[in-house]
Amino acid sequence: GENVEQHPSTLSVQEGDSAVIKCTYSDSASNYFPWYKQELGKGPQLIIDIRSNVGEKKDQRIAVTLNKTAKHFSLHITETQPEDSAVYFCSRGAGSYQLTFGKGTKLSVIP
Amino acid sequence: DVKVTQSSRYLVKRTGEKVFLECVQDMDHENMFWYRQDPGLGLRLIYFSYDVKMKEKGDIPEGYSVSREKKERFSLILESASTNQTSMYLCASSLRRVNEKLFFGSGTQLSVL
Repeated sequence: GENVEQHPSTLSVQEGDSAVIKCTYSDSASNYFPWYKQELGKGPQLIIDIRSNVGEKKDQRIAVTLNKTAKHFSLHITETQPEDSAVYFCSRGAGSYQLTFGKGTKLSVIP
Repeated sequence: DVKVTQSSRYLVKRTGEKVFLECVQDMDHENMFWYRQDPGLGLRLIYFSYDVKMKEKGDIPEGYSVSREKKERFSLILESASTNQTSMYLCASSLRRVNEKLFFGSGTQLSVL
């Protein structure tokens, strides 16, 4: 499958600060960009997704932005809380059943 | 509530054993997937199925096979387990179309000794 590069691999922020995770992709046919959150001992869970006809989407404290020209998309978490601590995965799809995932970002929110 | 259940949370097997990992979903989903999760490598797709008795290879199918005899059940089979198959295995399902939300199970941590 097509590669997705995700950065950073680890991120520590103070409670209340913002966190940003960035991903880049190479396949121009990519049209679906979901983000998954994995808490310790659990499977990943979808937290937000964006499709290629939209540049930004928000859901309370989380937002995703997409720049199709530059082939990158980002997850923004504002006013971080300890329960935001988890591993976050970006992914992309291109109209098939297969999603390609990034390698993950371990976010630690320090109280 | 949506539920994907994996039969074992932890599994320890010996090299050369035949291993079955079972996954059941209760949502009447058409699509089911097996992923492997390794530290620093993210999630990699092993196999998926979009219908009963249908299967498609993902990115890393070598050493694995799958079975989907019923809509709700998707099994991952390691014909002859090897130490490099020690990993976390995640099952997922999605409703019908492509580019839809995946629902994941909690995973099976397999250790091959």
